[in-house]
Amino acid sequence: QLQLQESGPGLVKPSETLSLTCTVSDGSISSSTYYWAWIRQQPPGKGLECIGTIYYTGSTYYNPSLRSRVTISVDTSKNQFSLRLSSVTAADTAMYYCARSDYYSNLDPWGQGTLVIVSS
Amino acid sequence: QSALTQPPSASGSPGQSVTISCTGTSGDVGGYNYVSWYQLHPDTAPKLMIYEVSKRPSGVPDRFSGSKSGNTASLTVSGLQAEDEADYYCSSYAGSNNLLFGGGTKLTVL
Repeated sequence: QLQLQESGPGLVKPSETLSLTCTVSDGSISSSTYYWAWIRQQPPGKGLECIGTIYYTGSTYYNPSLRSRVTISVDTSKNQFSLRLSSVTAADTAMYYCARSDYYSNLDPWGQGTLVIVSS
Repeated sequence: QSALTQPPSASGSPGQSVTISCTGTSGDVGGYNYVSWYQLHPDTAPKLMIYEVSKRPSGVPDRFSGSKSGNTASLTVSGLQAEDEADYYCSSYAGSNNLLFGGGTKLTVL
């Protein structure tokens, strides 16, 4: 059964870049049927927000509210996709999740999430 | 403020039914039959409970059902069990790769 696992630093300083990686196991990230998504919950326990998605070809969609600071990339050789969020502030403190998405944004499965705190 | 509106809390006793609403607009919930519901338990991966308004993924109990009327979608949990206590979020496709979420509803089993 396909599994996803987020990894990356749990603490990032203000104005720096948040970098996370999602490793896909027991399935291929190169599937033509699915996209791969980053979602966050900020602050933890509050509402969810879709950050963006990527297709295995590298085609991306970014949430307009974050577009100027977000880069999502894919490494098919490692079966991973990654998130970079630049110029972070305390408002970017959140639980970050990765998930598989179909064309109509049904997200399944999800990773367990990783908490990122922005603080000096 | 979330794009889709959910009540912050809902509750019911074991065995009862509870319904959680998710209100959007004609540009999202009302315009597409692509509403999903997710269950979030602490320290576990979020779980897809309902997709395309009323479809249940394999493994989701049939106590969970979804529906939609106009710009409002609903999740109904029948025969409440203690393990159903969790946060529930709705989402809706809104065209052009746009995905919107609700603010979440904390379901308490009394």
